[in-house]
Amino acid sequence: NAGVTQTPKFQVLKTGQSMTLQCAQDMNHEYMSWYRQDPGMGLRLIHYSVGAGITDQGEVPNGYNVSRSTTEDFPLRLLSAAPSQTSVYFCASSDRGKGNQPQHFGDGTRLSIL
Amino acid sequence: QKEVEQDPGPLSVPEGAIVSLNCTYSNSAFQYFMWYRQYSRKGPELLMYTYSSGNKEDGRFTAQVDKSSKYISLFIRDSQPSDSATYLCAMSEPNDYKLSFGAGTTVTVRA
Repeated sequence: NAGVTQTPKFQVLKTGQSMTLQCAQDMNHEYMSWYRQDPGMGLRLIHYSVGAGITDQGEVPNGYNVSRSTTEDFPLRLLSAAPSQTSVYFCASSDRGKGNQPQHFGDGTRLSIL
Repeated sequence: QKEVEQDPGPLSVPEGAIVSLNCTYSNSAFQYFMWYRQYSRKGPELLMYTYSSGNKEDGRFTAQVDKSSKYISLFIRDSQPSDSATYLCAMSEPNDYKLSFGAGTTVTVRA
């Protein structure tokens, strides 16, 4: 059981380039989300989705775009990379059962913008 | 002021010691409280998950929630070098899947 899989694990971009961070889960979870982790700031929510075709903004959505065409996949797009987007990005998923369910995280994508 | 405050440490203890970690929060609507452990270059993994106030024990780990003080704690008994990691507290409101995280406390257990 793979859980939450993120690709790539590492990426270096130049300012202005675009790219897509991939996230896939095999647990049939309805809820998926993207966080960024920066030193001293914990994890901050970028975008989230409560099911296929439904997405919404989190705390720090600017410069990022998402879509959810299937239950399994939730890609994160950087439209025009900026040095401020250098961070570690984590995707998470959880079951939409009764009450809040704990979220399961992938191992992250380490992104550096030059 | 951040919604969730957590002392970043670092915290260094000898093997076998009790590790005490805590977070404070300002949002009284939080009802679900979690502790995640994160090893270097890995994603957070769920350690403890509690609802509302009270204590929960799982092996060497005990989580406490005091909603009246808006304060949560995690205790690790008989700490081992393998417990060396960053510990993140997280919390959410009912029926809201968004998590609010503390900054994380880095713990080192010395052999």
